[in-house]
Amino acid sequence: DSGVTQTPKHLITATGQRVTLRCSPRSGDLSVYWYQQSLDQGLQFLIQYYNGEERAKGNILERFSAQQFPDLHSELNLSSLELGDSALYFCASSVAAGTEAFFGQGTRLTVV
Amino acid sequence: GESVGLHLPTLSVQEGDNSIINCAYSNSASDYFIWYKQESGKGPQFIIDIRSNMDKRQGQRVTVLLNKTVKHLSLQIAATQPGDSAVYFCAENWDNQAGTALIFGKGTTLSVSS
Repeated sequence: DSGVTQTPKHLITATGQRVTLRCSPRSGDLSVYWYQQSLDQGLQFLIQYYNGEERAKGNILERFSAQQFPDLHSELNLSSLELGDSALYFCASSVAAGTEAFFGQGTRLTVV
Repeated sequence: GESVGLHLPTLSVQEGDNSIINCAYSNSASDYFIWYKQESGKGPQFIIDIRSNMDKRQGQRVTVLLNKTVKHLSLQIAATQPGDSAVYFCAENWDNQAGTALIFGKGTTLSVSS
C-alpha cells in the first residue's frame, strides 16, 4: 500500500458527461501529480500541484481541470467526455518535486 | 516534445538470469531519475532512484546506472524471479518554463519464465 488513495476505482459514464476523480496523497506529501494511461501506453503527465498551487502542466486537454484543496487532497475534473478519454487515471504524491513519487491504484474510466 | 524513451518494448529472460532494462533520456538538464515497476491492474511501484551527481546506486537485487555523457539510464535486476514480471518505466524529473514534472517513457515489459 503506497498510502495514496484514489476514488472511485472504476467509473463508467456516457459520452458528453462530466466526472470527478479524487486523490488523497500520502500523509505529509505536499505535491500531487495526475497521469493518464491508455491501453498499452505509458504514463502521460497531465498536471502537478504543490501545496495548493499549480506547478506544472503537461498534455492536459482544456476539457480537463484539476485543483488541490487546503487539506491537500486533489480532484481531477473531466468534462464533455469522449470515447478516447477511456483510460486509467493515476495520482501520485511526493514530499516535493524532485523526490520519489508514490502512486495510487488508479481510477479506470470507461466512456461508452 | 522531449520525453524519456526505452530501447526495447519487451524483454524475456529465464528465472535466475540477470536482466538489464535500458532507457535513453533527452533532457540533459534532468537531475533526478526513478525506475518504476507496474504489475497488471496496479499503480506504478517505486523501485530505485538516482540523482545526477551519481553514476550508480544499488538496492536489494537492483542497480541503477546513469551515464550522463550519452544520456542513458539502465536498471539491472539480479537473479530475476517470476515475480519480477511486469512493465518497467524510467522517469526523469524535468524542469522547464512550465514547471517541474516527472516524465515517463513508454515502458519495457519484462517476462520471466521458470
